[in-house]
Amino acid sequence: NAGVTQTPKFQVLKTGQSMTLQCAQDMNHEYMSWYRQDPGMGLRLIHYSVGAGITDQGEVPNGYNVSRSTTEDFPLRLLSAAPSQTSVYFCASTNNQPQHFGDGTRLSIL
Amino acid sequence: AQTVTQSQPEMSVQEAETVTLSCTYDTSESDYYLFWYKQPPSRQMILVIRQEAYKQQNATENRFSVNFQKAAKSFSLKISDSQLGDAAMYFCAYIGNYKLTFGKGTLLTVNP
Repeated sequence: NAGVTQTPKFQVLKTGQSMTLQCAQDMNHEYMSWYRQDPGMGLRLIHYSVGAGITDQGEVPNGYNVSRSTTEDFPLRLLSAAPSQTSVYFCASTNNQPQHFGDGTRLSIL
Repeated sequence: AQTVTQSQPEMSVQEAETVTLSCTYDTSESDYYLFWYKQPPSRQMILVIRQEAYKQQNATENRFSVNFQKAAKSFSLKISDSQLGDAAMYFCAYIGNYKLTFGKGTLLTVNP
């Protein structure tokens, strides 16, 4: 039972490149979400999903896309990376509280 | 929109002593959960304790306990018999209507 798995753990991109952060959970959780963590800011909600085929915006959605084609997977896409998206990204899932977090992806945009 | 405020960016405590971390929140909802998460340098998000808003009794987990004051919208964390392994960033968090909102965190240092 792996819980919430995020890949990659580290990534460096150039400005303007696109990429997808992967998130998978094996706990059959309906609810999944993406957060970014910046120094002094805590974690902020980017997008979330309450089930397959359903997604919604969080507090800081601009520059990010998500989709939820299966219960297990919730990828986060950066359409055109910008230095302001340099951050640590966390994926989380739950059916009831509390949420289970992945180990995070450290993303640097040059 | 819900907000969570942690007014102490940093705190320190002597090993074996007690420390209290403060958290206040703002919401118009009546049914919600509150959490304290611990984030060590490994950056893992570790659940310390949770409180359901409808429960009047304060949650307790071993050396960790909360003082939940619903009317005052206050949710403080007390760590008793502090240990070196308690050193970490602590985040207070609120969830209502599926959205989890975090405070900015309190960095706890434990001095030997």
